[in-house]
Amino acid sequence: NAGVTQTPKFRILKIGQSMTLQCTQDMNHNYMYWYRQDPGMGLKLIYYSVGAGITDKGEVPNGYNVSRSTTEDFPLRLELAAPSQTSVYFCASSTPGQGSEAFFGQGTRLTVV
Amino acid sequence: AQSVAQPEDQVNVAEGNPLTVKCTYSVSGNPYLFWYVQYPNRGLQFLLKYITGDNLVKGSYGFEAEFNKSQTSFHLKKPSALVSDSALYFCAVRDLTSGSARQLTFGSGTQLTVLP
Repeated sequence: NAGVTQTPKFRILKIGQSMTLQCTQDMNHNYMYWYRQDPGMGLKLIYYSVGAGITDKGEVPNGYNVSRSTTEDFPLRLELAAPSQTSVYFCASSTPGQGSEAFFGQGTRLTVV
Repeated sequence: AQSVAQPEDQVNVAEGNPLTVKCTYSVSGNPYLFWYVQYPNRGLQFLLKYITGDNLVKGSYGFEAEFNKSQTSFHLKKPSALVSDSALYFCAVRDLTSGSARQLTFGSGTQLTVLP
């Protein structure tokens, strides 16, 4: 099983550019999440989705947008990239049960210069 | 609002010795608690969780954790550490009775180094 797949693995952006981080899962999970990981800060939730067509803001949504047109895909869009968005981004998915653990992708390391 | 604290940024332990990685939480209702491990340049991997029932939870790779409601803690333990256990460990919580029950909140992480 592929699990949660993120692309690209690495990317360098110039300030003001935009890009989309791709995330797809093959476990038929309803819930999907985007986190960013900064050194010493743990993981911060950017956006999450409880099913196709439904998204909601997390703790740090500013500067990002998401969409969920299918159960499998949950892309994260960065508009007008800023140095503060330099981070490692993780996509995750889970079943709806609140006791369900999340499954993570391998991450996208983004640098904005 | 739910929150998690991991008071130690770094824990060093000799191989073969017991290890403990500390986690305390704050929720308004009942928590679901999780431990994850992250190896370099990898995503997070699930280790174990507390939902309900026995306060001592056993998970992958010989790890276990004890839920203590009175101390609002969920410390990760292993009786005998291995060098291969060296990694970054995250505690996470869901508050079942809050409006953010769908969200998993993570601590800042603890770097565990097991010395040969």
